Amino acid sequence: EPEVTQTPSHQVTQMGQEVILRCVPISNHLYFYWYRQILGQKVEFLVSFYNNEISEKSEIFDDQFSVERPDGSNFTLKIRSTKLEDSAMYFCASSYTELEQYFGPGTRLTVT
Amino acid sequence: AQKITQTQPGMFVQEKEAVTLDCTYDTSDPSYGLFWYKQPSSGEMIFLIYQGSYDQQNATEGRYSLNFQKARKSANLVISASQLGDSAMYFCAMREGTLKNNFGNEKLTFGTGTRLTIIP
Repeated sequence: EPEVTQTPSHQVTQMGQEVILRCVPISNHLYFYWYRQILGQKVEFLVSFYNNEISEKSEIFDDQFSVERPDGSNFTLKIRSTKLEDSAMYFCASSYTELEQYFGPGTRLTVT
Repeated sequence: AQKITQTQPGMFVQEKEAVTLDCTYDTSDPSYGLFWYKQPSSGEMIFLIYQGSYDQQNATEGRYSLNFQKARKSANLVISASQLGDSAMYFCAMREGTLKNNFGNEKLTFGTGTRLTIIP
């Protein structure tokens, strides 16, 4: 069964460093998303992406964040200068229709 | 106001019993979708079931069913014959609008979750 994959599974970085989180969505899906979940809290929407552009972003998704689909398969989230409060689990998701959204296994980002 | 409310932070249920996890939602959009996800201790988010606002029948997927009461704005998840492997966090989420008609509203808004523990 096709699935969303994410790498790395765990990333530790120092405050102020740039990180890139990578995702490979399900191959025929058209809509892509990033969410994050701070430990013990609910899942929060960051950004959605369709047709090679951002379709919606939340107030969390400030100028420190960017997304890219550099080729036909990868979907990346970049955090330019990480802060302690960026520590969270980051989930990539993809969908083909509005009837589903499949999540990847997540990348746990720890900022020290 | 919260868009998704899950009032049960934790539940303990005996194995093989049925369990109902509550979810109420708030939206003025006539077109929306409701989702349930399971998050085991390993952290991944597993899609369980979907209910569209215009669906006439309650959604079912194996042991999972969704008790959709539109007038009450509730979308409770029912798990029949619970198993030890059902122990996890369960999140209710909502999408407002449709991808076709309301481009940009396909994000999911999540509730705070219910931690379900199945007791042998």
